[in-house]
Amino acid sequence: DQQVKQNSPSLSVQEGRISILNCDYTNSMFDYFLWYKKYPAEGPTFLISISSIKDKNEDGRFTVFLNKSAKHLSLHIVPSQPGDSAVYFCAAVSGGATNKLIFGTGTLLAVQP
Amino acid sequence: KAGVTQTPRYLIKTRGQQVTLSCSPISGHRSVSWYQQTPGQGLQFLFEYFSETQRNKGNFPGRFSGRQFSNSRSEMNVSTLELGDSALYLCASSLTTGLINIQYFGAGTRLSVL
Repeated sequence: DQQVKQNSPSLSVQEGRISILNCDYTNSMFDYFLWYKKYPAEGPTFLISISSIKDKNEDGRFTVFLNKSAKHLSLHIVPSQPGDSAVYFCAAVSGGATNKLIFGTGTLLAVQP
Repeated sequence: KAGVTQTPRYLIKTRGQQVTLSCSPISGHRSVSWYQQTPGQGLQFLFEYFSETQRNKGNFPGRFSGRQFSNSRSEMNVSTLELGDSALYLCASSLTTGLINIQYFGAGTRLSVL
């Protein structure tokens, strides 16, 4: 049972344009969500998070939007840069005394110069 | 501040053997979680330790075990290795003081079972 889904395995955008990565979830009890970026042979790197009580969080070029009624979140990267090329994972936490991250399957972003 | 350190980076074992992986969290972090990454299953939660106690466990067989020491360093053990245990094993540490607990990952240990 995949509780967090990233339906696009890959995405290609031009440098300078907007990248939009999507994530859907099924569990309405998730308390917060996080986005991680992963390069080959490295561990995931934290990008940005959002609490379930918010609908938007922004940090520099990265903005995460949460639509609870649709159980959908998205990560916007503006402007996209070649160094952003990586696999992006969304993850969710259902709260309580736990740090159990439930990950999506990832989206490979390629930013073309 | 040093990041999360995992050793060794690479391991090759044969079926039936056992293996121990090590993780040193960021200084001051008391929570350590372990994840398995495979091409077919993605990133899956194994277990979390906090103050030397297992606080949560994923859906893995009992061959997968772990422990945490008083200095928050953690080890993960896999006994009776199977071919399907070949994966990248990631460790993450967290402060666990806020509403949103950011987990910081190490570079992982790549385990190959032959």
